Amino acid sequence: QKEVEQDPGPLSVPEGAIVSLNCTYSNSAFQYFMWYRQYSRKGPELLMYTYSSGNKEDGRFTAQVDKSSKYISLFIRDSQPSDSATYLCAMNSGGSNYKLTFGKGTLLTVNP
Amino acid sequence: GAGVSQSPSNKVTEKGKDVELRCDPISGHTALYWYRQRLGQGLEFLIYFQGNSAPDKSGLPSDRFSAERTGESVSTLTIQRTQQEDSAVYLCASSLGQGGHTIYFGEGSWLTVV
Repeated sequence: QKEVEQDPGPLSVPEGAIVSLNCTYSNSAFQYFMWYRQYSRKGPELLMYTYSSGNKEDGRFTAQVDKSSKYISLFIRDSQPSDSATYLCAMNSGGSNYKLTFGKGTLLTVNP
Repeated sequence: GAGVSQSPSNKVTEKGKDVELRCDPISGHTALYWYRQRLGQGLEFLIYFQGNSAPDKSGLPSDRFSAERTGESVSTLTIQRTQQEDSAVYLCASSLGQGGHTIYFGEGSWLTVV
């Protein structure tokens, strides 16, 4: 079992839809959970990070962490064509742990 | 600088040749990381620098890979005797300190070995 599992998609939605992206993980030591957005042939861009369980909202984006289920989500409201990208989840245990463990990424296309 | 800068952005090299990839981290960031992203795969950790020291080289795939950092700034990743399986995007990232939950990536160096 991989440490982090992420459905690669592709996921195609109409403009304005609510998008749900998810990752599961197996390492209960993970405490920091990140979402990166990566446009084609660009580097990953940090969208949000969350510590431990709970929700965090930033504009149209909401990150949720359920540590009991080892499940994290990113919701995008009112999706726009400019949201079309690959979304990568990443996580680590924090403290002196600097390595991020990444999912493979989900390719999202928002159609106008 | 404003962001992490990497060069070259694209490199095509012949199998067996050596390549050097350069990274300029965000000014003031003491921690620097190299990751590799192969097509359809997640990012793989290669090496971490704190200052000029590399306490963790565990992700380097083989002894053909090496990296150094000088002046607590620029880092160079060197791949000797390149193989086709080395074709990937090599991503550099930096952060203010360790505990890398807010690390910032460069655009990557896209390496193709033919």
